[in-house]
Amino acid sequence: NAGVTQTPKFQVLKTGQSMTLQCAQDMNHNSMYWYRQDPGMGLRLIYYSASEGTTDKGEVPNGYNVSRLNKREFSLRLESAAPSQTSVYFCASSEGGIGGYTFGSGTRLTVV
Amino acid sequence: AQSVTQPDIHITVSEGASLELRCNYSYGATPYLFWYVQSPGQGLQLLLKYFSGDTLVQGIKGFEAEFKRSQSSFNLRKPSVHWSDAAEYFCAVGARTSYDKVIFGPGTSLSVIP
Repeated sequence: NAGVTQTPKFQVLKTGQSMTLQCAQDMNHNSMYWYRQDPGMGLRLIYYSASEGTTDKGEVPNGYNVSRLNKREFSLRLESAAPSQTSVYFCASSEGGIGGYTFGSGTRLTVV
Repeated sequence: AQSVTQPDIHITVSEGASLELRCNYSYGATPYLFWYVQSPGQGLQLLLKYFSGDTLVQGIKGFEAEFKRSQSSFNLRKPSVHWSDAAEYFCAVGARTSYDKVIFGPGTSLSVIP
């Protein structure tokens, strides 16, 4: 029962570097999401994918891109990292429609 | 667009005492409502959810929540808190539209005194 798996768990980047956060789920869920969590702000939606082959912007998409590689995998890319992107990133999945989310354990990213 | 407020940033209770965490939402229709718990260094875990029907919802770990439409509230309760309940709690609201985007509140941090 892996659920939602995120890699890496920790990452330090220099300003301007790029990286891809990986997410995979094994629950056959249709929908996948990327959130960022910052102190006192709860979770904010970056991008989501309602189903394989579709992606849409969330609340804070600037500076990020996503790829829904297949039904299982949904990656988040930072093309040119900025200190403002220092955060904890969570991937989640759901069956879609009604239903709660299943979250991964997060990636703690620091941009210096 | 929907929004969520959690008036209490931090709450401290004694072990064995009762707990109520407040959540207020703004949405033009009946929303989907959720409570999640996050232990340090972990992802969020779904405690309970409300979609329709009985306004008192039972969840995991002995938690319950009550939907009150007139007050736009969905408060989380537990009759007797255990030390292991110390965590961050997030209320969330989902829109009943064609897609289930969910908005999270800022969270309430719970400390439990032995």
